Amino acid sequence: QVQLVESGGGVVQPGRSLRLSCVASGFSFTTYGMHWVRQAPGKGLEWVAVISWDGTNKNYADSVKGRFTVSRDNSKNTLYLQMNSLSAEDTAFYYCTRIDYWGRGTLVTVSS
Amino acid sequence: DVVMTQSPLSLPVTLGQPASISCRSSQSLLHSDGNTYLDWLLQRPGQSPRRLIYKVSNRDSGVPDRFSGSGSGTDFTLKISRVEAEDVGVYYCLQGTHWPPYTFGQGTKLEIK
Repeated sequence: QVQLVESGGGVVQPGRSLRLSCVASGFSFTTYGMHWVRQAPGKGLEWVAVISWDGTNKNYADSVKGRFTVSRDNSKNTLYLQMNSLSAEDTAFYYCTRIDYWGRGTLVTVSS
Repeated sequence: DVVMTQSPLSLPVTLGQPASISCRSSQSLLHSDGNTYLDWLLQRPGQSPRRLIYKVSNRDSGVPDRFSGSGSGTDFTLKISRVEAEDVGVYYCLQGTHWPPYTFGQGTKLEIK
């Protein structure tokens, strides 16, 4: 069955960086575009980024453009989100998703 | 950016009764390829979101047939024919026609009266 397992979350100071990973299994990872979606505690869903199946096309929400970078390693069935210059507004659960399937999320807390 | 507006934001429903959620978009979601990329997702308490409906009216695998989606252009509706206890949670509409960005509605919280 399809599984998406995120990791890499944690507590980080403002201005620092963090890299999230998402390992995919149960489907042909190389044929799907993949997204990151986040959810601040108690808030709604916010789309963050999408990457094409081959990694050549990437798009970002304005709120993260220039700070976050999405990438993938199809040889490892893994999706990444490099997050730089983090601020308190980036505190959220981060979900790796194909839209029809979602991971359980990993919590990123930006706090001094 | 396309703005997605859901109503109501809170929906108390009696078990066994129907429920309806509206989602309106700030521009037509009809894509030039003829498809309308409007999905409905449910996030149960403490869980990740789960897609229920894709392209307006297509149920995902395993989704009970008491869930139905309809609409076109800028006006969409999710209906539950008879609400069950497991339907409690927050429902989101999501547009994927005009991206980036993909945009979600604010969410509608369904609770049992």
